[in-house]
Amino acid sequence: GNSVTQMEGPVTLSEEAFLTINCTYTATGYPSLFWYVQYPGEGLQLLLKATKADDKGSNKGFEATYRKETTSFHLEKGSVQVSDSAVYFCAVNDYKLSFGAGTTVTVRA
Amino acid sequence: ETGVTQTPRHLVMGMTNKKSLKCEQHLGHNAMYWYKQSAKKPLELMFVYSLEERVENNSVPSRFSPECPNSSHLFLHLHTLQPEDSALYLCASSQGIAGKANYGYTFGSGTRLTVV
Repeated sequence: GNSVTQMEGPVTLSEEAFLTINCTYTATGYPSLFWYVQYPGEGLQLLLKATKADDKGSNKGFEATYRKETTSFHLEKGSVQVSDSAVYFCAVNDYKLSFGAGTTVTVRA
Repeated sequence: ETGVTQTPRHLVMGMTNKKSLKCEQHLGHNAMYWYKQSAKKPLELMFVYSLEERVENNSVPSRFSPECPNSSHLFLHLHTLQPEDSALYLCASSQGIAGKANYGYTFGSGTRLTVV
């Protein structure tokens, strides 16, 4: 079955720092890949997605590129803000949507 | 109203109570899901419904009983719960299930359940 391994947190950064959260997956076939974000007290929101190799998903300054050769989908943002403080989940959808354990990110002013 | 709506947002119940969680989606999706999110644990998929039929039940105890009367509504009936069942219960929907849900899942805000 599918599985997702993402960088363990928590991650604490200062505003305007560069953020990377690593995500690797195992799956059969050609899965779609997603990053979800969960703000405090909320459900999960789709942040970005990529449906085939070499696709780049982007939203709100975040980017992730579907790397089939390394089975990775790392999330990056060049300059984080306090409002980016949240839990980030990598997910792979092949047979079913499988989530990573989540990475808690805290951005300090 | 759009998106996925869950009610109530918060619920406190005793171990002998019976309660229900409600989820409603206004997106025209044909699949719905229940997830459990406990502190310091990965998201756990509990149930999957496609076209109102249950297609997956991940070894969930019988004290949790799902119901999907139509493609827009999903319930989770709760009875004789244990304190370890306290968690955030998330509902989600998608157009297509499994590998065909290339647009991902849309989640509700969840119901924070506390069992006392």
